[in-house]
Amino acid sequence: QSVLTQPPSASGTPGQRVTISCSGSSSNIGSNSVYWYQQLPGTAPKLLIYRNNQRPSGVPDRFSGSKSGTSASLAISGLRSEDEADYYCAAWDDSLSGWVFGGGTKLTVL
Amino acid sequence: QITLRESGPTLVKPTQTLTLTCTFSGFSLSTSGVGVGWIRQPPGKALEWLALIYWDDDKRYSPFLKSRLAITKDTSKNQVVLTMTNMDPVDTATYYCAHRNPVYGYFDYWGQGTLVTVSS
Repeated sequence: QSVLTQPPSASGTPGQRVTISCSGSSSNIGSNSVYWYQQLPGTAPKLLIYRNNQRPSGVPDRFSGSKSGTSASLAISGLRSEDEADYYCAAWDDSLSGWVFGGGTKLTVL
Repeated sequence: QITLRESGPTLVKPTQTLTLTCTFSGFSLSTSGVGVGWIRQPPGKALEWLALIYWDDDKRYSPFLKSRLAITKDTSKNQVVLTMTNMDPVDTATYYCAHRNPVYGYFDYWGQGTLVTVSS
């Protein structure tokens, strides 16, 4: 049971926009930044979004992040087949004094 | 260029102690703000943060596993070692080490991971 809650799956067709939600609490998302990671099959997680809505260099602007209260969202526009992956949200938790992750969302491009 | 690589046994028996080493390059663990963390992922399951060691030797552990974990660093060798005692089959997972961004604290660079199987 992960501390952050994500839907287990999401899907869309090429070109569509999809969003993935991440729900937490006041001790994590409510008081700290949210980060998003993309994990392609058989590979290590890759940072996709940092500090709620910032993209590292090299990450396409099709990916965007937002945060409101104790929830956050990752949006992917212009969906492409190579976006098929698992996506995880993460945040520091002040009560646990450690990092917490979401359960992951498997994105399928139909 | 920051790189990290995990090494250690691929198979351990139940009740044994696991020792994993993270060897890194491209940064120094003596630089203010820098840290190295460990995260694991059971097959087909989610990521789980385990431990984090900071440049000043401060340490943080997952409260759920704290009694079984120990993290240390060897700055001269550019290595971080994680030990986990009393291994159980449920600890079967890919174990990753990752670089802590010195400014914002998140994990920005990850190793490729090493799969550890716990079985008799």
